[in-house]
Amino acid sequence: KNEVEQSPQNLTAQEGEFITINCSYSVGISALHWLQQHPGGGIVSLFMLSSGKKKHGRLIATINIQEKHSSLHITASHPRDSAVYICAVMDSNYQLIWGAGTKLIIKP
Amino acid sequence: DAGITQSPRHKVTETGTPVTLRCHQTENHRYMYWYRQDPGHGLRLIHYSYGVKDTDKGEVSDGYSVSRSKTEDFLLTLESATSSQTSVYFCATFWRGSLHFGNGTRLTVT
Repeated sequence: KNEVEQSPQNLTAQEGEFITINCSYSVGISALHWLQQHPGGGIVSLFMLSSGKKKHGRLIATINIQEKHSSLHITASHPRDSAVYICAVMDSNYQLIWGAGTKLIIKP
Repeated sequence: DAGITQSPRHKVTETGTPVTLRCHQTENHRYMYWYRQDPGHGLRLIHYSYGVKDTDKGEVSDGYSVSRSKTEDFLLTLESATSSQTSVYFCATFWRGSLHFGNGTRLTVT
């Protein structure tokens, strides 16, 4: 069993829809990161969470430490949000354990 | 952008030749990482560094070595390149809650 599980693996939605991507982990963590990678592109850190909730524009990330679960939400989705979204947890040795990624396609 | 520059951005080399990839950062981040990204595998850690001259192996370190003689530079060397090392290589830095990635180096070994 992977230490970091993301769901869904693939997600296709219509422009404007509310998007949720989930991440569950089974190890102790110091923080959880959400990252974005566009096709053929670089990797951008969206959020680092150790508790609670963070919001940046149309993106919202939450984490429940007790349940070892995090969600990334996108409100009013747009085709430019199409990308791979990756959850990664950081352990106490500053090592990142990666989820497999969620490929999101937003259709106009 | 945390000022991470990877060089070269693209390289084609022949099997058996040594190759060095450079990661340069301007933010004085303590932790630096080298990853490779291949279809179907996501990001896999090659080597990482906790500071100057303090490095350790990741999960796919065979055939790779690293050096960090200055805070700002983390070099990845393929001692004798093989076709299985054809990949996209990403450098990353982390310090005080800030995680950043370089734009990647696409390496092709023929």
